[in-house]
Amino acid sequence: DSGVTQTPKHLITATGQRVTLRCSPRSGDLSVYWYQQSLDQGLQFLIQYYNGEERAKGNILERFSAQQFPDLHSELNLSSLELGDSALYFCASSAGQGAETQYFGPGTRLLVL
Amino acid sequence: GNSVTQMEGPVTLSEEAFLTINCTYTATGYPSLFWYVQYPGEGLQLLLKATKADDKGSNKGFEATYRKETTSFHLEKGSVQVSDSAVYFCAVKAAGNKLTFGGGTRVLVKP
Repeated sequence: DSGVTQTPKHLITATGQRVTLRCSPRSGDLSVYWYQQSLDQGLQFLIQYYNGEERAKGNILERFSAQQFPDLHSELNLSSLELGDSALYFCASSAGQGAETQYFGPGTRLLVL
Repeated sequence: GNSVTQMEGPVTLSEEAFLTINCTYTATGYPSLFWYVQYPGEGLQLLLKATKADDKGSNKGFEATYRKETTSFHLEKGSVQVSDSAVYFCAVKAAGNKLTFGGGTRVLVKP
């Protein structure tokens, strides 16, 4: 158990819908990262937040957004969903802004029908 | 940008066989290197890491040595078990905070 929690574990929705994925980092960690794992794209970095502020952005679509709250939990919002958004979404956390080791949560599996 | 290339699987082995998974990277500066493992139906777990050239990361019988001259970080285990069946990901972290992953190598160990 990494100490990173993600909810829900599974999510099934329809095209055009909007969903919110939630992540709680390990106790004391200030950075949260979001990654997408899909069959065609592999594991890709989406975005990082540090202590409530966006720090780095990767291959995140404009339809996707994230935020980190004062209690350090983070949410990833996916809107206008398409079939191709079906993937496993991981959250990771680390102690600092550029800390070496990121610890991953169990992931949220999203299926868009 | 950074990139990681690792051997495609699946790699099928018998129990107690020797496992090698090749990983090479391109990155600027002085990257840190990682191996993560994903067991069936689970998330990513950090297996081992190395933060500078010639460092050897080790955990659970797995080892990998940071080779700057060959830009490689090959994963090895001398005697695999059925419980080692999983997908293994090599990753690099250079300037910036994101991890860049290889495509993953599926390993299947048969009894």
